[in-house]
Amino acid sequence: EAGVAQSPRYKIIEKRQSVAFWCNPISGHATLYWYQQILGQGPKLLIQFQNNGVVDDSQLPKDRFSAERLKGVDSTLKIQPAKLEDSAVYLCASRSPRASNTGELFFGEGSRLTVL
Amino acid sequence: AQRVTQPEKLLSVFKGAPVELKCNYSYSGSPELFWYVQYSRQRLQLLLRHISRESIKGFTADLNKGETSFHLKKPFAQEEDSAMYYCALIQGAQKLVFGQGTRLTINP
Repeated sequence: EAGVAQSPRYKIIEKRQSVAFWCNPISGHATLYWYQQILGQGPKLLIQFQNNGVVDDSQLPKDRFSAERLKGVDSTLKIQPAKLEDSAVYLCASRSPRASNTGELFFGEGSRLTVL
Repeated sequence: AQRVTQPEKLLSVFKGAPVELKCNYSYSGSPELFWYVQYSRQRLQLLLRHISRESIKGFTADLNKGETSFHLKKPFAQEEDSAMYYCALIQGAQKLVFGQGTRLTINP
């Protein structure tokens, strides 16, 4: 089966500009996650969707970050305006509904953002 | 708050030597713990979960509730084990919380 797809792989922008990342999860995976991974740190959850509803967005900086998952499939993560500290890899992951309580998430390759 | 701590950012051992990657956690309740691995130029992927009590690629990890630890071990390291390793726990509705990660390097 095809894995989690993300684009773009790399993005360089200047501070105060905006950027959007796209994620297509594995077919049939109802749960979708966006993680932020800053260099040298572990992934930090930004937002979790169950179908098209938000389960957890407690660590999403809502003044500049937004995410949506229309129709419960693809998702986009937007940053507007970007700050230098937003430089990171943005990871999308999905989880099968049959994998309840197993903690197995399938990750995409990530989108590397550099803010200058 | 639930937290996962990996005290070593870097770990280097020789091929054939034993490996132990440390992980400590703080969690109120019965934790579910996992080890994820990211090989060079590959995606982050699940290595093993404590519930399964399985050995994957020669690695094992035992949950020690008394010491709140979930260390990853392998008796004889191989060069292909070089990677980033992340300890993680499940919190709430399938929210996965990761540690900082340990970069393991196996020297020939």
